[in-house]
Amino acid sequence: AQSVSQHNHHVILSEAASLELGCNYSYGGTVNLFWYVQYPGQHLQLLLKYFSGDPLVKGIKGFEAEFIKSKFSFNLRKPSVQWSDTAEYFCAVRGTGRRALTFGSGTRLQVQP
Amino acid sequence: ETGVTQTPRHLVMGMTNKKSLKCEQHLGHNAMYWYKQSAKKPLELMFVYSLEERVENNSVPSRFSPECPNSSHLFLHLHTLQPEDSALYLCASSQLLRDREAQYFGPGTRLLVL
Repeated sequence: AQSVSQHNHHVILSEAASLELGCNYSYGGTVNLFWYVQYPGQHLQLLLKYFSGDPLVKGIKGFEAEFIKSKFSFNLRKPSVQWSDTAEYFCAVRGTGRRALTFGSGTRLQVQP
Repeated sequence: ETGVTQTPRHLVMGMTNKKSLKCEQHLGHNAMYWYKQSAKKPLELMFVYSLEERVENNSVPSRFSPECPNSSHLFLHLHTLQPEDSALYLCASSQLLRDREAQYFGPGTRLLVL
């Protein structure tokens, strides 16, 4: 079975602060990894994805994530957050050969102006 | 703007009602999914349809009945629901058999069961 842990449930930052959201997964084989974002009142949007190759993945809006296989981690980072980054962030994993995603419980990010 | 639309966006129903949720994807994908998002819980996969055939049913109670008449449309028929079924129901689609496949989500239907 595959599972995802997001240890930070609620993060509060000031604008221009750096961000790192943790994501750890459990799965015995090769995985695809995703970060989704859900802005207030909006639908889930794909932020970035990792399938293979360079473990440092760049996504939209200045976000990036690094896949560290030895740590089963896929942490999300942004050097300088903006108020508009206030949202809920979900990490998801899919084992190779599987169709469905398994999501973490989400991290609510609040950026204060 | 999303390529996956869902109707209705909000639904209130009694436990004896029958209603249906609709999802339509405009992305040319060949797989569709139903997820349930409850407060303070991770998104839970309910059903997966691949090429209009149900390929996964994640131990969902029979009061939820999916239907996929073609690759662009997905329904979730609801009957005799319970209050604990109140949640946000999300539809997603993806293109299987293509490398680097990601799922794209609709806005969801927020369901309240009284």
